[in-house]
This record gives sequence, C-alpha cells and structure tokens, in this order.
Amino acid sequence: GAGVSQSPSNKVTEKGKDVELRCDPISGHTALYWYRQSLGQGLEFLIYFQGNSAPDKSGLPSDRFSAERTGGSVSTLTIQRTQQEDSAVYLCASSQDGLAGILGTRTYEQYFGPGTRLTVT
Amino acid sequence: QKEVEQNSGPLSVPEGAIASLNCTYSDRGSQSFFWYRQYSGKSPELIMSIYSNGDKEDGRFTAQLNKASQYVSLLIRDSQPSDSATYLCAVKRGNNRLAFGKGNQVVVIP
Repeated sequence: GAGVSQSPSNKVTEKGKDVELRCDPISGHTALYWYRQSLGQGLEFLIYFQGNSAPDKSGLPSDRFSAERTGGSVSTLTIQRTQQEDSAVYLCASSQDGLAGILGTRTYEQYFGPGTRLTVT
Repeated sequence: QKEVEQNSGPLSVPEGAIASLNCTYSDRGSQSFFWYRQYSGKSPELIMSIYSNGDKEDGRFTAQLNKASQYVSLLIRDSQPSDSATYLCAVKRGNNRLAFGKGNQVVVIP
C-alpha cells in the first residue's frame, strides 16, 4: 500500500516568511508524528497526534511552530517568521499504535515519509 | 546523560562479514526498541523492532535486547555493499515519541 507522503519535497524560503509543510499518513494509522533532522544533529521530536486526542506539543522549539491534523488524517506543520536555524529536513511518521496481528501484539512501529528539506536564506 | 547513545565513528566491514552495532539507553522503563536504516539523502527506513529480551532475527538482521544492561544491538550478517548506510537506534518514550541515537555509519567494502 501507499506509504507516508510529504509535500513539498524541497522548500527554499526567505528569513521571516511563513511556510507550511504537509503530511499524509498511511491509511488507517491513527498516530502521526513530526520530527526534524538538522545537519549533524539527530532526529528531534516535534509533535504527536493520536486520534482525536489533544496533540503532544512538547517538542516544538518555539511558539513560531504549530501543527494541526484535520479529520484525523492529513497534517500541516506551520513555521511562522522562519529563521535560518529552522533549516532542516522535516520528517513525518505515522504509526498504528495499537494491537496488531493475530496475537494482538501492541506495536508502535513508526514509518517515515520522504521528508521536506527546508532551507531558510 | 543522553537518552540513546550509539558509539561514534564509521564502521568499515568487508563484504560478507558481520557488522555489529550497539546502542545504550538511559530510561530503564523503556519497552520498545527499533533500528532504522538511513541512506544518504533519504529518510529513515524501519528494519527491526524488538520488545522482549533476547534475539530477534529477520533475514540477515538480528536484533538483541538486554533490558537489565540497557542495551540493544544489531547484527548484519553477510554484509553487502547495499548495507552501506547510517543505522539509527530508537527507543520509544512515554508519550510514544521515539528518541534516536546519532547513528552509526556502516561502510561495506567490496
């Protein structure tokens, strides 16, 4: 089946502009995550959506970052007044986060999209 | 103390040999562990998940988990040039987010 999709694949923006990044998770996955990966840095958690619950925003680095998930599916990450330090690859992942298989094993396997490379000039 | 640590430095292995990667984690209560492979310029790809102590084998990959010692390892048997990539260790935290190590670069020499 189709995997996680993200758009755009690349985005170059000027400092101070707002950007929107989109993520379409795997069909049927209730959990959606945003991470970012900067050059030389590890993968950094940003935000987590699970079903209709309030999102876990504990990883957002500043109030310039926000995200929403409409209809429990597509998510948009918005960065306002972009700064050069926002340059990174933004990765979206989705997960079933529930029971899977005939044994009903709980699984939290996250599958990543191709990412959006954001460059702030 | 970092949540997840992977020993640094690229690992060079000859084709056909075994590549061994190690990872330690700080939260003794962690229950779910993952290995991802990341090719240069690409996103991470899940290759193994492990939830119980012991070994889990999938093809040429074996993940090993020791919760008492708080380490996870990955063995790649019969290494192929296509295995050349960065391998990321990840641990699920309380809010279901993954905490990642910085990764180990593996270079398989033909």
